[in-house]
Amino acid sequence: KQEVTQIPAALSVPEGENLVLNCSFTDSAIYNLQWFRQDPGKGLTSLLLIQSSQREQTSGRLNASLDKSSGRSTLYIAASQPGDSATYLCAVRLRDSNYQLIWGAGTKLIIKP
Amino acid sequence: NAGVMQNPRHLVRRRGQEARLRCSPMKGHSHVYWYRQLPEEGLKFMVYLQKENIIDESGMPKERFSAEFPKEGPSILRIQQVVRGDSAAYFCASSPIGLAGDSEQFFGPGTRLTVL
Repeated sequence: KQEVTQIPAALSVPEGENLVLNCSFTDSAIYNLQWFRQDPGKGLTSLLLIQSSQREQTSGRLNASLDKSSGRSTLYIAASQPGDSATYLCAVRLRDSNYQLIWGAGTKLIIKP
Repeated sequence: NAGVMQNPRHLVRRRGQEARLRCSPMKGHSHVYWYRQLPEEGLKFMVYLQKENIIDESGMPKERFSAEFPKEGPSILRIQQVVRGDSAAYFCASSPIGLAGDSEQFFGPGTRLTVL
């Protein structure tokens, strides 16, 4: 059974720092992995989607990597800003059921001005 | 092209009442997925529907919960005789392709259900 874990559960850093959020999954038979952002009381914004054949994806100050063999993904945020404060969720799409997303519980990020 | 729409955004019900959550997929999308997010937890898959068909309801509780996606109109997630444990955010997603292909799911803003 696929399980997705995100560490740390919460993170508070000063503005301007580079930071890394971690996501691990137990079964490497995934179709893709996706990082989302969730603002309090609001919906989900897709940030980056990495196909199983890819190693990384970049969008602006965000870079996500994927290492299927070790069951890990990282989300790197460069030069963090207070507007980056949110909960970051990762989700894997199963290969044998290629529509179901299995989610981590998220990392709550606070960027202090 | 409007995104996935959900209404209401907030819903308050007393124990024992019924809750109806609506989801209108993106234009051109015929596949809908419902997820539930309990407080401080990740989302959990509930059900996957295509027009007029339930494809996979393995994540939906057997009692009190039902879902439909009629030929015309939005998808409806219905919770009968709500209990406090049903309080959660319910997210709907849609995609243009279901079981095959490189289709991404696009999420709505969610409905936050509070059961008093």
